[in-house]
Amino acid sequence: DQQVKQNSPSLSVQEGRISILNCDYTNSMFDYFLWYKKYPAEGPTFLISISSIKDKNEDGRFTVFLNKSAKHLSLHIVPSQPGDSAVYFCAASAGNTPLVFGKGTRLSVIA
Amino acid sequence: KAGVTQTPRYLIKTRGQQVTLSCSPISGHRSVSWYQQTPGQGLQFLFEYFSETQRNKGNFPGRFSGRQFSNSRSEMNVSTLELGDSALYLCASSLDRGITDTQYFGPGTRLTVL
Repeated sequence: DQQVKQNSPSLSVQEGRISILNCDYTNSMFDYFLWYKKYPAEGPTFLISISSIKDKNEDGRFTVFLNKSAKHLSLHIVPSQPGDSAVYFCAASAGNTPLVFGKGTRLSVIA
Repeated sequence: KAGVTQTPRYLIKTRGQQVTLSCSPISGHRSVSWYQQTPGQGLQFLFEYFSETQRNKGNFPGRFSGRQFSNSRSEMNVSTLELGDSALYLCASSLDRGITDTQYFGPGTRLTVL
């Protein structure tokens, strides 16, 4: 049973527009959420995180929104740039338990 | 500061063989976690080591094992390789695997089992 789901395997967005990547989770014990970005032939790179006590966290062009009642989080990238093209993984943790990752969404930003 | 390094980067083995992968964490990091990434399953947690002790373990068979040395370097071993073990194996290190502690990933070892 997949506890963290990224239902869109891929997403294409034009340069300069907003990219919205979605993630749903089923475990109500999750209290910390992260997004990682992965380029080919490299390991995932931490992007942004959010604790369950918040509903929004912003870092430059990246904003993560958390809707606990819907068990849903999203990553907004504004404006999208060609260098943002990568696979994005959503991950969640409950206390100090190991991270549970989604299967990833491949974002393509088209110039 | 040097990042997480993993050796080898690529490996080809045949069914039934065993393999050992190595991970050197960022200097000062004491927690090392291992993940398996496959196209169909995303990243799946294998195990975590902290101060030479396995602190967490994922749902993988006993053929998958690991250890951590006193300098925090870690190895993972897969015995009796199966075709389905072909994957990218990622190692991540952190200062301590506390709830807000960021994990830094290495580039991975691409294992192909023929």
